[in-house]
Amino acid sequence: QVQLVQSGAEVKKPGASVKVSCKASGYGFTRFHMHWVRQAPGQGLEWMGIINTSGGYTNYARKFQGRVTLTRDTSTSTSYMELSNLRSEDTAVYYCARSFRQYGMDVWGQGTTVTVSS
Amino acid sequence: SYELTQPPSVSVSPGQTARITCSGDALPKQYAYWYQQKPGQAPVLVTYKDSERPSGIPERFSGSSSGTTVTLTISGVQAEDEAVYYCQSGDSTGTFFGGGTRLTVL
Repeated sequence: QVQLVQSGAEVKKPGASVKVSCKASGYGFTRFHMHWVRQAPGQGLEWMGIINTSGGYTNYARKFQGRVTLTRDTSTSTSYMELSNLRSEDTAVYYCARSFRQYGMDVWGQGTTVTVSS
Repeated sequence: SYELTQPPSVSVSPGQTARITCSGDALPKQYAYWYQQKPGQAPVLVTYKDSERPSGIPERFSGSSSGTTVTLTISGVQAEDEAVYYCQSGDSTGTFFGGGTRLTVL
């Protein structure tokens, strides 16, 4: 079945970087772009960016430009989100989600909790 | 910047109809999408392109659009529909979510 499986929880210190992976299965990986969305504790959804899994092109939310990098490995059908210069406000659950019908997201990963604490 | 405004909460009794609105100046030009999120779970897409329903989503979920407002309607609300609902839209610069509406089934 179609699924996205993300890497496990991370605990990082302020100023460090984190890299979260998202492995796709059950469909043609390069046929669909991949979004990344985060959700701070008790808060709403926040879009971070999107990667064209075929060509590798990216589009980042203005808030994260300069700190986030989306990449992909087509040989393993895996997308990656790296966030640098972490601060406590980056503590959140990070999701990957398959792009669907222009801006929609029809398949989501299970989420990866990233905790930033000194 | 792109803003989508939702009411913080909506309450209905089982079997009634719930309507959740989402307002934004760009909505007449861009499609809207709705997601349901239950505690501890990832969001689930319940409608797309204003009024289309993905396979597997019950028929009681429907979406509509009028001017700067889009509406998610849940007919015959069931206890299992209690969740937070998010609208989403986008343009060439990216995509954006509303703040979310908590649906309480009384």
